[in-house]
Amino acid sequence: LAKTTQPISMDSYEGQEVNITCSHNNIATNDYITWYQQFPSQGPRFIIQGYKTKVTNEVASLFIPADRKSSTLSLPRVSLSDTAVYYCLVGDKDGTNAGKSTFGDGTTLTVKP
Amino acid sequence: GAVVSQHPSRVICKSGTSVKIECRSLDFQATTMFWYRQFPKQSLMLMATSNEGSKATYEQGVEKDKFLINHASLTLSTLTVTSAHPEDSSFYICSARPPSGRKGGNEQFFGPGTRLTVL
Repeated sequence: LAKTTQPISMDSYEGQEVNITCSHNNIATNDYITWYQQFPSQGPRFIIQGYKTKVTNEVASLFIPADRKSSTLSLPRVSLSDTAVYYCLVGDKDGTNAGKSTFGDGTTLTVKP
Repeated sequence: GAVVSQHPSRVICKSGTSVKIECRSLDFQATTMFWYRQFPKQSLMLMATSNEGSKATYEQGVEKDKFLINHASLTLSTLTVTSAHPEDSSFYICSARPPSGRKGGNEQFFGPGTRLTVL
């Protein structure tokens, strides 16, 4: 399973764009990159998933360079409610590894007023 | 969208007793569910992979006789912490994967977690 490395913490202010980068040098050909958000005492919540280039949904964008050894989660115009821990995971595409993923340490994002 | 529930959300028990935690996928069938444990200020640690109709696969260092997992149906997996001790106090979270091809990739849907406190 590919190991991921993220910054331990980040601070931002309301209304700013936040970019969190994750390194996954050993990503496998079939691996997808998935980001989750977790609030205290809650289960993680799916944010976005991608395989290559750029993916955008209603809450975030995910940028993946051609070598796929890293990825960047971009949160536009954060608010106080975006304060949470963000996890980057890499995992196989078709479940050949039973879809097992390993959570890294995550990035604690603190949004200040 | 896919919803996973856990019951109970919070449980307090005495040392030496057993506690059962249920994980249900409410609107999809999950042949595979995962159980995680999370200590305060730490990341999620995968404990085991629960497969419907077969034995669970445990991660290294997780005692299978202490953490009993049963995946009785395509929508229900249970984790029983046997002879619980204070060091088992933690936040237990399950997740489930929709059937292959529904969304693709490796998306998991997580339950809300169960806070276990062993006195």
